[in-house]
Amino acid sequence: EAQVTQNPRYLITVTGKKLTVTCSQNMNHEYMSWYRQDPGLGLRQIYYSMNVEVTDKGDVPEGYKVSRKEKRNFPLILESPSPNQTSLYFCASSLSSGQIYEQYFGPGTRLTVT
Amino acid sequence: AQSVAQPEDQVNVAEGNPLTVKCTYSVSGNPYLFWYVQYPNRGLQFLLKYITGDNLVKGSYGFEAEFNKSQTSFHLKKPSALVSDSALYFCAVRDMEINDYKLSFGAGTTVTVRA
Repeated sequence: EAQVTQNPRYLITVTGKKLTVTCSQNMNHEYMSWYRQDPGLGLRQIYYSMNVEVTDKGDVPEGYKVSRKEKRNFPLILESPSPNQTSLYFCASSLSSGQIYEQYFGPGTRLTVT
Repeated sequence: AQSVAQPEDQVNVAEGNPLTVKCTYSVSGNPYLFWYVQYPNRGLQFLLKYITGDNLVKGSYGFEAEFNKSQTSFHLKKPSALVSDSALYFCAVRDMEINDYKLSFGAGTTVTVRA
């Protein structure tokens, strides 16, 4: 089944404790992206990747890191989480960066930072 | 900079009535436009997109959207709403003239269809 998976689905952590949210897609997609969803603000793009080893900042990259060492994986790293990073996070992928294709979204990761 | 506005936080309609969810955009060049839907406790699902060509775009689940360049709008429509259409709807835009592959989403519109 074609899908985007994220782990963990739920995470409660404390300020300053490094964490990684994994994202994997099995569709051989070139483009992958991370978003956060906050009430009243919709989805805001954190980082995106056009292909392996090619990443760029979205609208809200502060406090986050990403890497794209393999085509299928695009982990989101919070080196020192803070309470303002409490949010619902979505990973997404699409076939190509050059053409405009629809994005496929993962099920979401709900992060709480205390 | 590109941006999207969804002027209504909530839309309430009766089942069987027409449904419209509004979206306006701002780009420096020409837009790529998308609609996505989020059902409760689920990820987003693609509904339809406008890239070029016919201004009326048809998508999944009986939805359609009309691209209006002069009004910079891309309203989502469904002729006869179902209770199962109750969800959160997002409009998104990418500026074709900017070579950075960013995608900007609106704040979302919650649609409630009452039986």
